Amino acid sequence: DQQVKQNSPSLSVQEGRISILNCDYTNSMFDYFLWYKKYPAEGPTFLISISSIKDKNEDGRFTVFLNKSAKHLSLHIVPSQPGDSAVYFCAASRNRDDKIIFGKGTRLHILP
Amino acid sequence: GAGVSQSPSNKVTEKGKDVELRCDPISGHTALYWYRQSLGQGLEFLIYFQGNSAPDKSGLPSDRFSAERTGGSVSTLTIQRTQQEDSAVYLCASSTGPSSGNTIYFGEGSWLTVV
Repeated sequence: DQQVKQNSPSLSVQEGRISILNCDYTNSMFDYFLWYKKYPAEGPTFLISISSIKDKNEDGRFTVFLNKSAKHLSLHIVPSQPGDSAVYFCAASRNRDDKIIFGKGTRLHILP
Repeated sequence: GAGVSQSPSNKVTEKGKDVELRCDPISGHTALYWYRQSLGQGLEFLIYFQGNSAPDKSGLPSDRFSAERTGGSVSTLTIQRTQQEDSAVYLCASSTGPSSGNTIYFGEGSWLTVV
């Protein structure tokens, strides 16, 4: 049972435009959400997180939006840069003391 | 070192053999995770250690998989009687636990190939 779903395996975006990566979850007990970025042959690195008490968190070019009623979150990257080409994983946990469950990832290609 | 360290970085083993993968978490981190990523797949949760609590083993795919964490620090993931479907990258991560907002930091992984 996939509790965290990233339905788009890949996404291509022109450099300078906005990249929007989507994520859906099924467990209504999840209250903490994270995005990780992974380059080939490297471990994932933390990007940004959001608690369920918020609906938006912004950090530089990265903004995460949370829609609890729809059990949906999205990561916006603007403007997109070539170095943003990577696999992006959405993740969630029930609380800050519980295991973190990851989605299958979305491969983002930034086109020149 | 400053980050999560995993060894070996690459391991090729014959089907049926046992393998051990080691993880040195970031010093002072109380929480430790094992995940695996098979080719074309996402990050599959395997096991989670948090402080002195009983580990959450709910993600271990079979009884051939086990993990221990000695002294609250180093962890070893053991796969007995390896099968070809065990081929994957095994990723270890650690965090300071709830106080960190549960941000976890990954190692570079151990690439396991079962032939």
